[in-house]
Amino acid sequence: GIQVEQSPPDLILQEGANSTLRCNFSDSVNNLQWFHQNPWGQLINLFYIPSGTKQNGRLSATTVATERYSLLYISSSQTTDSGVYFCAATPYTGANSKLTFGKGITLSVRP
Amino acid sequence: SQTIHQWPATLVQPVGSPLSLECTVEGTSNPNLYWYRQAAGRGLQLLFYSVGIGQISSEVPQNLSASRPQDRQFILSSKKLLLSDSGFYLCAWSRQGVGTEAFFGQGTRLTVV
Repeated sequence: GIQVEQSPPDLILQEGANSTLRCNFSDSVNNLQWFHQNPWGQLINLFYIPSGTKQNGRLSATTVATERYSLLYISSSQTTDSGVYFCAATPYTGANSKLTFGKGITLSVRP
Repeated sequence: SQTIHQWPATLVQPVGSPLSLECTVEGTSNPNLYWYRQAAGRGLQLLFYSVGIGQISSEVPQNLSASRPQDRQFILSSKKLLLSDSGFYLCAWSRQGVGTEAFFGQGTRLTVV
């Protein structure tokens, strides 16, 4: 099945700094999503981005489908950005939206 | 708008007891439904998915089962819990079709003691 790898596994930032989180995937995809897991465990949808670039406030994401990677950019980080960020993908030949998740990136933003 | 509800939020159960977790979706019809588990650590693993009433596909062999008695209701069950069933269980839905966006419920944290 598809492999999803995220890097770095852990990231520590000072408030106000920018960061880039990376997601590599091993096959062509028809679904690529970024999530933020809050302290209560809930997965918050950040981006649905099988290809192209999207922006939402301080966050933006780019997926280069031909090169099989996606990047999540966080600008002017805030302490509330702390948590675990997951990338998940459905392979192009897959049915429905059965997502394979990466192991996540733990982000800590210090005041 | 669509919403997904999952309950209970937390559950502590003794080994050997039964389990029933429920998930319902509102505001859409004929959704794809999914159960994921997040064990201690970070990774999420797909356990079951359903494309319609009574249609369940299992992704991994385990002590759990799933049922879909109604269009927007998805239930995760076990007859006898094991310690290894502890974890964080998340229900999700997506629209019918290939590669549609998935949305997750709030999750149930299960501790088997």
